[in-house]
Amino acid sequence: DVKVTQSSRYLVKRTGEKVFLECVQDMDHENMFWYRQDPGLGLRLIYFSYDVKMKEKGDIPEGYSVSREKKERFSLILESASTNQTSMYLCASSFYVVPGELFFGEGSRLTVL
Amino acid sequence: DAKTTQPNSMESNEEEPVHLPCNHSTISGTDYIHWYRQLPSQGPEYVIHGLTSNVNNRMASLAIAEDRKSSTLILHRATLRDAAVYYCILMVVQTGNQFYFGTGTSLTVIP
Repeated sequence: DVKVTQSSRYLVKRTGEKVFLECVQDMDHENMFWYRQDPGLGLRLIYFSYDVKMKEKGDIPEGYSVSREKKERFSLILESASTNQTSMYLCASSFYVVPGELFFGEGSRLTVL
Repeated sequence: DAKTTQPNSMESNEEEPVHLPCNHSTISGTDYIHWYRQLPSQGPEYVIHGLTSNVNNRMASLAIAEDRKSSTLILHRATLRDAAVYYCILMVVQTGNQFYFGTGTSLTVIP
């Protein structure tokens, strides 16, 4: 079975802290994605990556950066956390070949105080 | 700029069929239609996908309109475990297989 593992299910951070959210997949997928999910807004794409060291901005990249140094690992970084970044963060991966079914992790709920 | 439109919520009686509609009027010829569902406290999981023809799998059926501007996810016999938020998504090949999620339909199954 494909497994996408997110490092933390729940985090509480303070405003201004640097936050790292880690995601690891074990299926040799080329594509990896970070979404945030907020009530009434559905899932919104923050960043995605097609290959190691490659990244593309999604719909809401402001305030975030990403790192993909190894194929299986995709990290989301909040350089200076703010309260409006309190949210559920979901990582996903897929093969590049169309149609590319997405496999999601269980999510990381971040609260910024 | 939402690419899919779904009703916010629907209800169904247990063991009855459920038809979940989705409009995607801006779909292009190479876009795939995907459906995912999200159970409480979990990440979304794949249900089914299609391009032009109707599709069936063990979880559901997908009926795609002839003009591809709408589709319907069909759960043949709803169970309590099918209560979830269902997302109709376009996978846009032209933008590198990006998935565009809408806000989904929250399905309540009544015993």
